[in-house]
Amino acid sequence: EPEVTQTPSHQVTQMGQEVILRCVPISNHLYFYWYRQILGQKVEFLVSFYNNEISEKSEIFDDQFSVERPDGSNFTLKIRSTKLEDSAMYFCASKGDDGSYEQYFGPGTRLTVT
Amino acid sequence: AQSVTQLDSQVPVFEEAPVELRCNYSSSVSVYLFWYVQYPNQGLQLLLKYLSGSTLVKGINGFEAEFNKSQTSFHLRKPSVHISDTAEYFCAVRRIQGAQKLVFGQGTRLTINP
Repeated sequence: EPEVTQTPSHQVTQMGQEVILRCVPISNHLYFYWYRQILGQKVEFLVSFYNNEISEKSEIFDDQFSVERPDGSNFTLKIRSTKLEDSAMYFCASKGDDGSYEQYFGPGTRLTVT
Repeated sequence: AQSVTQLDSQVPVFEEAPVELRCNYSSSVSVYLFWYVQYPNQGLQLLLKYLSGSTLVKGINGFEAEFNKSQTSFHLRKPSVHISDTAEYFCAVRRIQGAQKLVFGQGTRLTINP
């Protein structure tokens, strides 16, 4: 069964460093999303992406964040200058254009900022 | 804006006992409702969804949920649980019109004891 994959599974970085989290969505999907979950808190929406542009973003998704679909398969989330409070589990999701409304989630990348 | 409240952060249950995981939501517009499950070290997997029609929806692994519009609830139930149901369960909503982002509750950790 097709699945969303994410790399790396765990990323440790120092405050102020740039990180890129990678996702490979399901191949025929057209809608892409990033969510995050800070330990002990709710899963929060960050951004949605469709037709090579951001379709919606939350207030969390400020100028330090960016997303890109550099080729036909990858979908990346970049944090330019990480802060301690960016430590969280980051989930990528994708959705097809078949009217099912189901977003398929990857296993997540645990980002630890020290 | 939408919000979701899962009233129980942890629910311990004995194997083969019934279980109910509670979810209430708040929204000024009509929403679709979802339950996702997260097994250890895996991504979020859709259990079931309510889009329209019958208020009792059945999902995978023997789970079902009932949409109650007057009480703005969408409780998840299973008549007899198994050890393999041990996981984190998330209730989520999204607007029917417009934004596709999922708004999640804080999750309920279901622990099945032998």
